Amino acid sequence: QVQLVQSGPELKRPGASVKISCKTSGYTFSSYFIHWLRQAPGQGLEWMGMVNPSGGGTSYALNFQGRVTMTRDKAATTVYMELASLRSEDTAVYFCSREVYGVGGSRRFDPWGQGTRVKVSS
Amino acid sequence: LVLTQSPATLSFFPGERATLSCRASQDISSPSLAWYQHRPGQAPKLLIYYTSTRATGIPDRFTGTGSGTDFTLIIDRLEPDDSAVYYCQQFQNSVTFGGGTRVEIK
Repeated sequence: QVQLVQSGPELKRPGASVKISCKTSGYTFSSYFIHWLRQAPGQGLEWMGMVNPSGGGTSYALNFQGRVTMTRDKAATTVYMELASLRSEDTAVYFCSREVYGVGGSRRFDPWGQGTRVKVSS
Repeated sequence: LVLTQSPATLSFFPGERATLSCRASQDISSPSLAWYQHRPGQAPKLLIYYTSTRATGIPDRFTGTGSGTDFTLIIDRLEPDDSAVYYCQQFQNSVTFGGGTRVEIK
């Protein structure tokens, strides 16, 4: 079955960077975009950007441009999200998800990784 | 493109019906609207895509409707396991989510 398994929790100091992995399995890695999202405590879901595993192309949300980098390793069928210059407001649970593009132009995120908790604290 | 969900919280007894609203700041085409269920500590789960198509394994107690700027998720015969936050999402213009509606089962 399709699975996305993320790396474990992280504790970082302000100003540091964090790199989270999303290991995929159960489908053709290059055929589906992978998106990254996050949920800060008490907040809703926020889209961060996406990576095309086939060619490596990316698209980032304006809020994160200049601070986020999304990459992939085709051999490992793994996608990575690195967020730099961390601040306390980046404390959140980070999710990866596969975009499915279907009949009639329908789009959805399915499935999602289990989430990675990142805490930014001095 | 902003999605506004209302109300923020709903509370029901088991067996009742919940009606969740998602309003967009501009028109959204039907293929571009999805709904997710998010239980605490778990990954969000796809419920509905293409406005009204249930995802694999989703029971017919969950119904999505709507068009243009107004979309609705209806949950019939509520069960305790339906306690969660429900999000609408649009792909019409980039990707955004509504603020969520929390459904509590008494």
